[in-house]
Amino acid sequence: DAGVTQSPTHLIKTRGQQVTLRCSPKSGHDTVSWYQQALGQGPQFIFQYYEEEERQRGNFPDRFSGHQFPNYSSELNVNALLLGDSALYLCASSLRGNQPQHFGDGTRLSIL
Amino acid sequence: KQEVTQIPAALSVPEGENLVLNCSFTDSAIYNLQWFRQDPGKGLTSLLLIQSSQREQTSGRLNASLDKSSGRSTLYIAASQPGDSATYLCAVKEDRGGSNYKLTFGKGTLLTVNP
Repeated sequence: DAGVTQSPTHLIKTRGQQVTLRCSPKSGHDTVSWYQQALGQGPQFIFQYYEEEERQRGNFPDRFSGHQFPNYSSELNVNALLLGDSALYLCASSLRGNQPQHFGDGTRLSIL
Repeated sequence: KQEVTQIPAALSVPEGENLVLNCSFTDSAIYNLQWFRQDPGKGLTSLLLIQSSQREQTSGRLNASLDKSSGRSTLYIAASQPGDSATYLCAVKEDRGGSNYKLTFGKGTLLTVNP
């Protein structure tokens, strides 16, 4: 039973570029949440997708956008990258949003 | 705005010692509280989840308690082992009548268990 998988594992970008991160939820899950974890900090909620729509959003600018596909997988897009966007981006999946969230190993994004 | 605080930020203990990690939250209207473990550069592994109506949960050498009214939770680790070395994160899900799905995390406690 595959858990939550994220790709790529690591990514290096330069300021101003755009990036797309991908997440496949755990089998049987239909909801995907994204979190940003800066070094030495706890994860911060970016948004959650359910039924291909953004259901809840945290305090992140519009540069952060997402998408959920009919197979429940999801993408996180970040435009106009800033140095402060360097972080571990975690994807979590759950069933209908109120069940416990299962986390992937994350994508480490470094901005130069 | 919900804020979650974890004390201490770091803890170093000898192998075999029993230890307690603390978590406090500012808004007691929570749906549940969860303790996670994070190894360096890795994702989060759920350890224990306590529903708002529960007082504690146990799994092996781990015991988590919840006092919702005072906004506190503790994670007790018995007979610590070097393999327990990791960052432990506390997260709450607020109860907003079914319209909140996010977890609010503390910054974590970095635990080192020395052989």
